[in-house]
Amino acid sequence: AQSVTQLDSQVPVFEEAPVELRCNYSSSVSVYLFWYVQYPNQGLQLLLKYLSGSTLVKSINGFEAEFNKSQTSFHLRKPSVHISDTAEYFCAVSFVSGTYKYIFGTGTRLKVLA
Amino acid sequence: DAGVTQSPTHLIKTRGQQVTLRCSPKSGHDTVSWYQQALGQGPQFIFQYYEEEERQRGNFPDRFSGHQFPNYSSELNVNALLLGDSALYLCASSFFGTGNQPQHFGDGTRLSIL
Repeated sequence: AQSVTQLDSQVPVFEEAPVELRCNYSSSVSVYLFWYVQYPNQGLQLLLKYLSGSTLVKSINGFEAEFNKSQTSFHLRKPSVHISDTAEYFCAVSFVSGTYKYIFGTGTRLKVLA
Repeated sequence: DAGVTQSPTHLIKTRGQQVTLRCSPKSGHDTVSWYQQALGQGPQFIFQYYEEEERQRGNFPDRFSGHQFPNYSSELNVNALLLGDSALYLCASSFFGTGNQPQHFGDGTRLSIL
């Protein structure tokens, strides 16, 4: 069965500290990978995506994620977080063939402390 | 360039009633997907519409139905509402809907069932 696991439901971190949000997936077919961010009372905003090519992808606001096929992971990292990064982060997969749906993880609430 | 718009923002219904939620996709997008996000959970795929047809469906009962119009906008209908239908309903649009086309989300409709 296809699934996405985000083991950390909440991650508290002090401002300017580094952070890693973990994402693992399970799939019998090739996948595309995404990180979305959700601020309170808003929809999901695409943060970054891995479709093909370089396994390290970066966003414009300092986040990066690395696709690791052998470990079926797509962890999200930021070297120095800001208060404004406080939000819910969702990892998602879509599939190269066979289905059009996205499968989302249960989310990780990142809380940046002053 | 308008993004994905959903209406209404909030809705309160009672058990047994019926509800219709509306979505206008991002300009240039032709595919609409609907997701249900329960409190503290990740979005769950309901169904996807392309060329005015339901192209794929998730594990939701027939009480959930939809429609796509020639202008690509879409409606989600839920009949015989249950308390468990209380959730944030998200609409996402994309071009063609294949896995390598990132989905863009609206801010959702929060449905509360009393």
